Amino acid sequence: AQSVTQPDARVTVSEGASLQLRCKYSYSGTPYLFWYVQYPRQGLQLLLKYYSGDPVVQGVNGFEAEFIKSNSSFHLRKASVHWSDSAVYFCAVRITGNTGKLIFGLGTTLQVQP
Amino acid sequence: AQTIHQWPVAEIKAVGSPLSLGCTIKGKSSPNLYWYWQATGGTLQQLFYSITVGQVESVVQLNLSASRPKDDQFILSTEKLLLSHSGFYLCAWRLGGAETLYFGSGTRLTVL
Repeated sequence: AQSVTQPDARVTVSEGASLQLRCKYSYSGTPYLFWYVQYPRQGLQLLLKYYSGDPVVQGVNGFEAEFIKSNSSFHLRKASVHWSDSAVYFCAVRITGNTGKLIFGLGTTLQVQP
Repeated sequence: AQTIHQWPVAEIKAVGSPLSLGCTIKGKSSPNLYWYWQATGGTLQQLFYSITVGQVESVVQLNLSASRPKDDQFILSTEKLLLSHSGFYLCAWRLGGAETLYFGSGTRLTVL
């Protein structure tokens, strides 16, 4: 069965610290992987995506993620967080085919302390 | 200009009342359209998808229906709301063959 696991419901870091948000997926096909961010009371914004090629993908606002096939992981990283990064981060895997279905994790709430 | 527009931004409705939420896509020809639902504090779940005008597929049965009356419009509705319908409804689009879904800003629904 397809699934996405984000093991950390909440992460708190200090401004300027580095960040890693964990994501593991279970999908038998070729994984198309995404990270989305949701700011309070807003929709989802795409941070970055991985389809193929270089396993380290760069996204907006200094975020990057690394696809590790052997570990079925797609962790999100940022070298130095800003208070404005406080939001909920969702990892997702897309099911191939016309349904366009994304399987989302439960999300990780990031709180950046000044 | 925004590609995707959802309306209304928020709704407070009584149990048993009807509902209609809308989504319009601008500047994209024949997009694939999607409705997702996010329960309060929860993750997102796909409800419907549509590849073309007049055709909608249901993914999850939640006593809701969807229609695509025009190429650029996707409507989510029900004649009778339940308390369990409360949450955040997101419309999304992608172009056929592309892998990325782009989401709207959502409609927050509170059913009392």
